[in-house]
Amino acid sequence: AQSVTQLGSHVSVSEGALVLLRCNYSSSVPPYLFWYVQYPNQGLQLLLKYTTGATLVKGINGFEAEFKKSETSFHLTKPSAHMSDAAEYFCAVGRQAGTALIFGKGTTLSVSS
Amino acid sequence: SQTIHQWPATLVQPVGSPLSLECTVEGTSNPNLYWYRQAAGRGLQLLFYSVGIGQISSEVPQNLSASRPQDRQFILSSKKLLLSDSGFYLCAWSVDSGANVLTFGAGSRLTVL
Repeated sequence: AQSVTQLGSHVSVSEGALVLLRCNYSSSVPPYLFWYVQYPNQGLQLLLKYTTGATLVKGINGFEAEFKKSETSFHLTKPSAHMSDAAEYFCAVGRQAGTALIFGKGTTLSVSS
Repeated sequence: SQTIHQWPATLVQPVGSPLSLECTVEGTSNPNLYWYRQAAGRGLQLLFYSVGIGQISSEVPQNLSASRPQDRQFILSSKKLLLSDSGFYLCAWSVDSGANVLTFGAGSRLTVL
């Protein structure tokens, strides 16, 4: 069975500050890991994904995440927050094509000027 | 290119009324299709997924049902809505190879009164 835990339902940062959104997973098989972003009243958009290979994954909008197997973590970071980064972020785990992704409960990121 | 459409975008229905939400995908064949529900503070809950016409897997027993009458069409239905069915319903698709990247539609917001 697979599961995802996102630590912190709400994170607030100032514009220009580091963004760190935490995600821990549980999986009995090597996981595929994903981060999605959702703007109000819209669907989810893929930010980045880890499947195999390099453990540091770069995504869109300056975000990146590092797969740490020993810590079962896949935290999302961005060096400098922009106002436009304010949204809800979801971490997800999956493995096989044709099976559904399991999502965390989401973290709402607020960015203040 | 592939696109996914969901309708209606917004729906207000009385308790006990029926429901039909439709999702169609263009530009791909034999996609895997998914229905998720997003309720406040609960993240994304997988409701149904389908790997082919007439093949539906249900993740959560409830008064909702899904059907896939055509390869690229996925319908979410209910005979009698409950207040607890209110939420944001998201359809998604993926291909049956490689990493299981889901592409989401814009969502349908259902309010049951």
